[in-house]
Amino acid sequence: NAGVTQTPKFQVLKTGQSMTLQCAQDMNHEYMSWYRQDPGMGLRLIHYSVGAGITDQGEVPNGYNVSRSTTEDFPLRLLSAAPSQTSVYFCASSPDGLGTGSYNEQFFGPGTRLTVL
Amino acid sequence: AQSVTQLGSHVSVSEGALVLLRCNYSSSVPPYLFWYVQYPNQGLQLLLKYTTGATLVKGINGFEAEFKKSETSFHLTKPSAHMSDAAEYFCAVSVRGSARQLTFGSGTQLTVLP
Repeated sequence: NAGVTQTPKFQVLKTGQSMTLQCAQDMNHEYMSWYRQDPGMGLRLIHYSVGAGITDQGEVPNGYNVSRSTTEDFPLRLLSAAPSQTSVYFCASSPDGLGTGSYNEQFFGPGTRLTVL
Repeated sequence: AQSVTQLGSHVSVSEGALVLLRCNYSSSVPPYLFWYVQYPNQGLQLLLKYTTGATLVKGINGFEAEFKKSETSFHLTKPSAHMSDAAEYFCAVSVRGSARQLTFGSGTQLTVLP
């Protein structure tokens, strides 16, 4: 298994441009999520999905859209990039979507480093 | 809602010395607690976790942590630091029924001095 993969690894955008960060997992996990990592702030949840067709907002959703048309893929869209979105973005997945069973580990991708000029 | 506080954004220890990274949490329901490690330019890797049962949990690379409900703490320790332990460490909390949402602390950068 490749686990959780993210593309691209690095990206530079100009203010106002749009782009999609890709995330895929081959473990048939129900739960997928996107975090952003900023210095001194840890990781903050942007959006998450408990299964195909179901998404919800996390702590910092403004400026980002997501969709979950398949179990494997969970792309993150920046509609109009802003310098405040300069960050490292991590995708994660876990087997149990609703979190009502015993705990299952979350697996993280390698991250996408995004710079918005 | 749950929250995590990591005391000390930077910790330096000498090689062979005790490593102690502090984490306190806030949760209105019994929590799940985790420590993740991030090496430079890499993703997060799970070190150890507490879900239920034994309050002293052992993880990879010789690390362990103890869940203390009365102190709302989950400090990470390692008896003898190695140069390869230099990394950023994150404490995180989740609760049953929260759809696996993790709330992270702000992280502690561990430096190991020769």
